[in-house]
Amino acid sequence: RKEVEQDPGPFNVPEGATVAFNCTYSNSASQSFFWYRQDCRKEPKLLMSVYSSGNEDGRFTAQLNRASQYISLLIRDSKLSDSATYLCVVRGYTNAGKSTFGDGTTLTVKP
Amino acid sequence: DGGITQSPKYLFRKEGQNVTLSCEQNLNHDAMYWYRQDPGQGLRLIYYSQIVNDFQKGDIAEGYSVSREKKESFPLTVTSAQKNPTAFYLCASSADRDAHEQYFGPGTRLTVT
Repeated sequence: RKEVEQDPGPFNVPEGATVAFNCTYSNSASQSFFWYRQDCRKEPKLLMSVYSSGNEDGRFTAQLNRASQYISLLIRDSKLSDSATYLCVVRGYTNAGKSTFGDGTTLTVKP
Repeated sequence: DGGITQSPKYLFRKEGQNVTLSCEQNLNHDAMYWYRQDPGQGLRLIYYSQIVNDFQKGDIAEGYSVSREKKESFPLTVTSAQKNPTAFYLCASSADRDAHEQYFGPGTRLTVT
């Protein structure tokens, strides 16, 4: 079993739709959680950190469920420019500085 | 402009040759990382360095070597011992080992034939 698992998709949604991605992790000692965005053939860029209390940044909401060991990303009012691959990233306490990446979920927003 | 640079963007080599990928950062970050990404997959950690003159193996270090003689530079050598070297190589840095965000360079696409 992979340490971080994501539904690869692809998710194909119309503009304006709401879409949610989930990511599960296996190491209960994991401490920090992030969502990165990666455009085709480009480097990943941090989209948002994920906090226990949940956090929102504009149209994006991230949530963490430690009991069930998953994090989620909700995108509201999807834009064409949201089309990308979204990578779930988990860091453990004992390996400070080492991050484990999921394989990514691909989102395509269509007109 | 502060950031991470990787060169070259595309690199082609013959099987059996060693090749060195460049990574330079002017962010004054202590920690630097090398990842490999294969099509449809996430990033896998090759090596990381938390401070100058020190580095540790990541999850897939076999066939690779690194050095960290200067804070701003963390070159990766792909040796002939790496069985499947063709991949997208990404270098990243973070302020220190506990910093949340990793900043990535634009990557080098290596093709070995």
